[in-house]
Amino acid sequence: DGGITQSPKYLFRKEGQNVTLSCEQNLNHDAMYWYRQDPGQGLRLIYYSQIVNDFQKGDIAEGYSVSREKKESFPLTVTSAQKNPTAFYLCASSKQAGVVETQYFGPGTRLLVL
Amino acid sequence: GEDVEQSLFLSVREGDSSVINCTYTDSSSTYLYWYKQEPGAGLQLLTYIFSNMDMKQDQRLTVLLNKKDKHLSLRIADTQTGDSAIYFCAETPDRGSTLGRLYFGRGTQLTVWP
Repeated sequence: DGGITQSPKYLFRKEGQNVTLSCEQNLNHDAMYWYRQDPGQGLRLIYYSQIVNDFQKGDIAEGYSVSREKKESFPLTVTSAQKNPTAFYLCASSKQAGVVETQYFGPGTRLLVL
Repeated sequence: GEDVEQSLFLSVREGDSSVINCTYTDSSSTYLYWYKQEPGAGLQLLTYIFSNMDMKQDQRLTVLLNKKDKHLSLRIADTQTGDSAIYFCAETPDRGSTLGRLYFGRGTQLTVWP
């Protein structure tokens, strides 16, 4: 089955701690995206990657970092600089970047601060 | 920036039709999407429409696009309790570096009463 997996489903962060959210896809998609969802809000773009070894900041990149060393993987690190990290994080991918392509979403990771 | 607006709540009785409305501001929008999100889950693509179309039907779903008024609607016929979810409208502009990016509304919580 092709799809996007995110792990863990729930993640707890202590003050001052960096945590990493995993996103993997086996759809052979070039482009991958990270969104943050807060209650009653739409999705806001954190980072996106159009191709391996390349990524760009979205609208709310401060306090987050990413890497794209492999086509199928796009992990997101929530750093201690992100002062309000509690949210639902969604990863997505699309076939190509730079053209209009449908985005497909993973099941999400809920991050909570202890 | 791009603005996508939706009403936040809609309640209907089982068996009735639901109409969820969305307005957007970007006249360069190429594709417009409807996504469904069930509690604690990722987003599921329901349907999309290209900006040169004014209607698309897919089983119980009908999408209407009024490009002049920048108004998009999703009609669900014979609404069932399983349709209860948050519905997101999203658009992608056809402009340079933003090509392929999605801009989301805040979502409409649809509640279906038995």
